Amino acid sequence: DIQMTQSPSTLSASVGDRVTITCRASQSISSCLAWYQQKPGKAPKLLIYKASSLESGVPSRFSGSESGTEFTLTISSLQPDDFATYYCQQYNSYSITFGQGTPLEIK
Amino acid sequence: EVQLVESGGDLVQPGGSLRLSCAASGFTLSDHYMDWVRQAPGKGLEWVGRSRNKANSYTTEYAASVKGRFTISRDDSKNSLYLQMNSLKTEDTAVYYCARSGSYSPNAYWGQGTLVTVSS
Repeated sequence: DIQMTQSPSTLSASVGDRVTITCRASQSISSCLAWYQQKPGKAPKLLIYKASSLESGVPSRFSGSESGTEFTLTISSLQPDDFATYYCQQYNSYSITFGQGTPLEIK
Repeated sequence: EVQLVESGGDLVQPGGSLRLSCAASGFTLSDHYMDWVRQAPGKGLEWVGRSRNKANSYTTEYAASVKGRFTISRDDSKNSLYLQMNSLKTEDTAVYYCARSGSYSPNAYWGQGTLVTVSS
């Protein structure tokens, strides 16, 4: 299986901050990388797919990028609604795998 | 509007069985791949298995942790997906989500989840 290593394991930030979360794949995944936001008691919500494509309806402060097997989610200016847990997911293989998750907490 | 609604979660003893359902609306189930994903309490997301679409003969794949114990099926006439879980273990305790997927596609649509608790 393809392993996804996500960092940091936790993140504290303030409203208005720019934050980045990184995911590294154990092998090439051909841009088949998605980012999800999950709030307590809710299903994950797709934010970014194909490494850098913004899902319809997702605010433009969210963006994704890739460099080889390293992928980054950036939130340009944190809003109160953004405090949640973020997961990366590779879907290059039928055996999809997720990163461990990054809880984003209010500082 | 695409909607997925899971049901069937319950408290079950180790070694027991349970069948989860996922009712789909707003799209034709037979056209789409479907995944089951679970989340143990306070933990991350874990893919459980996949059912491919009719064009791909409804073939299935499973995570190693559930292979041989879980079976995915569907009834396209009811637009419903199922997860039959046998020989349940305490480590299968989780919220189970069904999610629409595709070949080289992310999970754009998710249900609200159903809780399975395996405990004596």
